[in-house]
Amino acid sequence: QQQVKQSPQSLIVQKGGISIINCAYENTAFDYFPWYQQFPGKGPALLIAIRPDVSEKKEGRFTISFNKSAKQFSLHIMDSQPGDSATYFCAAPHDYKLSFGAGTTVTVRA
Amino acid sequence: NAGVTQTPKFQVLKTGQSMTLQCAQDMNHEYMSWYRQDPGMGLRLIHYSVGAGITDQGEVPNGYNVSRSTTEDFPLRLLSAAPSQTSVYFCASRKIRDFNEKLFFGSGTQLSVL
Repeated sequence: QQQVKQSPQSLIVQKGGISIINCAYENTAFDYFPWYQQFPGKGPALLIAIRPDVSEKKEGRFTISFNKSAKQFSLHIMDSQPGDSATYFCAAPHDYKLSFGAGTTVTVRA
Repeated sequence: NAGVTQTPKFQVLKTGQSMTLQCAQDMNHEYMSWYRQDPGMGLRLIHYSVGAGITDQGEVPNGYNVSRSTTEDFPLRLLSAAPSQTSVYFCASRKIRDFNEKLFFGSGTQLSVL
């Protein structure tokens, strides 16, 4: 079974708006939580990752917020652009494996 | 530096046929893995390998076999294809020592089993 619960399944946002995707994970011995971005017809690619020694990490318009006590982390896409339209996956490590969430399809309308 | 190369890109099989999905990487990565992607299910791990001669099962291994004879190659075999194996398959690799480093994905194989 999936060790990571991701929501929502899809979202639509207007250009310039904020997209928020949430993930909850089960126990893991490893502290590394990445987000992958996938465009249609392509393989996923690492977008941004966080280690829980910090509660937030920002790279450009993408920010991860992490709540270790609640075992939750989220991705915020600020000033969303049509080029951000993609499927986003959160993930959590388990042993040598990476368990992915079910994915969120983000559509940014111009 | 080609990264992770998967072949074929598309494949149609009849129920009961067998085939091998190929995966090769040129980054000298010790860790290689196969995922399948289905709508609403995300990416689910089929099998993985931490080095030549070492493989292990992931979440959904039934119906699939793997072997790892070289560092570069990690083929996925479907012994007797079933319609439930219709999916998009991704191969991914990374450095084993850096388990928390990024996975490099191939471009995928879209498989339809009729």
